[in-house]
Amino acid sequence: DTAVSQTPKYLVTQMGNDKSIKCEQNLGHDTMYWYKQDSKKFLKIMFSYNNKELIINETVPNRFSPKSPDKAHLNLHINSLELGDSAVYFCASSQTSGPRLDTQYFGPGTRLTVL
Amino acid sequence: AQSVTQPDIHITVSEGASLELRCNYSYGATPYLFWYVQSPGQGLQLLLKYFSGDTLVQGIKGFEAEFKRSQSSFNLRKPSVHWSDAAEYFCASSPLSHFGNEKLTFGTGTRLTIIP
Repeated sequence: DTAVSQTPKYLVTQMGNDKSIKCEQNLGHDTMYWYKQDSKKFLKIMFSYNNKELIINETVPNRFSPKSPDKAHLNLHINSLELGDSAVYFCASSQTSGPRLDTQYFGPGTRLTVL
Repeated sequence: AQSVTQPDIHITVSEGASLELRCNYSYGATPYLFWYVQSPGQGLQLLLKYFSGDTLVQGIKGFEAEFKRSQSSFNLRKPSVHWSDAAEYFCASSPLSHFGNEKLTFGTGTRLTIIP
């Protein structure tokens, strides 16, 4: 079974559309994350949730709204998609977000292309 | 603000040769340090991490890294690479912050190519 799964794997859409990416982890972890990897492979954290509570929000436009219905799921909804949103989005999870920063396990990524 | 620098964008190594990937961090105190590997089309997998203690850290797949405070470095090494090691390698750091606010800062990655 896949530890951290994301759907869809590929997403191609037009500018201005609204889309969602789903993430699920079956590791029993408390904390989940969304990262964005741009075309130059640079990875940057976007959000982090601990037990469904937002703990990190890294100056991401309001068009991006994470939703955590339970601690095993962290979905990312994006409104009014722009060309610059094209990237690979990675979900990750860890046991805790405490001082020892337990290992983060990453999903396979969702490649979003905005036309 | 903390930052992580990987000076080498792309490295090519012959199969069986030794490997060293460089990573430098910029932070007032000693951060937590990590190396991740990303195979083509895949997510990131943790190779090893350093929190404290022994400065030579052993990881999976035969990798090791050495923390050198004087050089603010955390270089990744492998004595003999295999063709399957071809991938993108990311160094990352996290500060010693209060509970619930840690985050990983990644370097820009080093692409490793293995030639026969």
